[in-house]
Amino acid sequence: EADIYQTPRYLVIGTGKKITLECSQTMGHDKMYWYQQDPGMELHLIHYSYGVNSTEKGDLSSESTVSRIRTEHFPLTLESARPSHTSQYLCASSEYLTGGGYTFGSGTRLTVV
Amino acid sequence: QKEVEQNSGPLSVPEGAIASLNCTYSDRGSQSFFWYRQYSGKSPELIMFIYSNGDKEDGRFTAQLNKASQYVSLLIRDSQPSDSATYLCAVVRTGANSKLTFGKGITLSVRP
Repeated sequence: EADIYQTPRYLVIGTGKKITLECSQTMGHDKMYWYQQDPGMELHLIHYSYGVNSTEKGDLSSESTVSRIRTEHFPLTLESARPSHTSQYLCASSEYLTGGGYTFGSGTRLTVV
Repeated sequence: QKEVEQNSGPLSVPEGAIASLNCTYSDRGSQSFFWYRQYSGKSPELIMFIYSNGDKEDGRFTAQLNKASQYVSLLIRDSQPSDSATYLCAVVRTGANSKLTFGKGITLSVRP
């Protein structure tokens, strides 16, 4: 079944650690996105990609980085986690001509202690 | 002015009532309009989309679009406690470099 997957679902990690949040989709979508969302707050776009080897920063400044080496895979990396990075991270994808909506993954809830 | 505005919440309705959720947008070039439902702690889920002026019905949900007034709404008939969630409005221009613009969302609570 075509879908979008995020791992891990929950992550508790110590300050200063390097972490990678995984996102993969099997829908063949060219466009992929990372959003950050605190509880009860709005979505903030932090990174997006229009295809392989294409990455752009979003509307909200983030210390994270992303890569897009394969169409189906769009990982997000934090080189040195801090408590301020504690949040929910949502990955989404869409077709190239975005007449359709986004499909979201289940999210990763990150807690940095 | 924010690009996508949703009327202030939270909104509380009794079970069985009609819930009306409203959204205005500033970009007149917007061509596609979406409503997402997000339960607490979960990711957004697409529940309705509309491209043309008028109404679009899907079960208990009706999306209404008025491009001249730059207004899109979602009506939920016979509201159920399971409809209690945050509803996000999103708009987009169709095109290769377009991205959805989301509103802040409005939280709906359906009282049993």
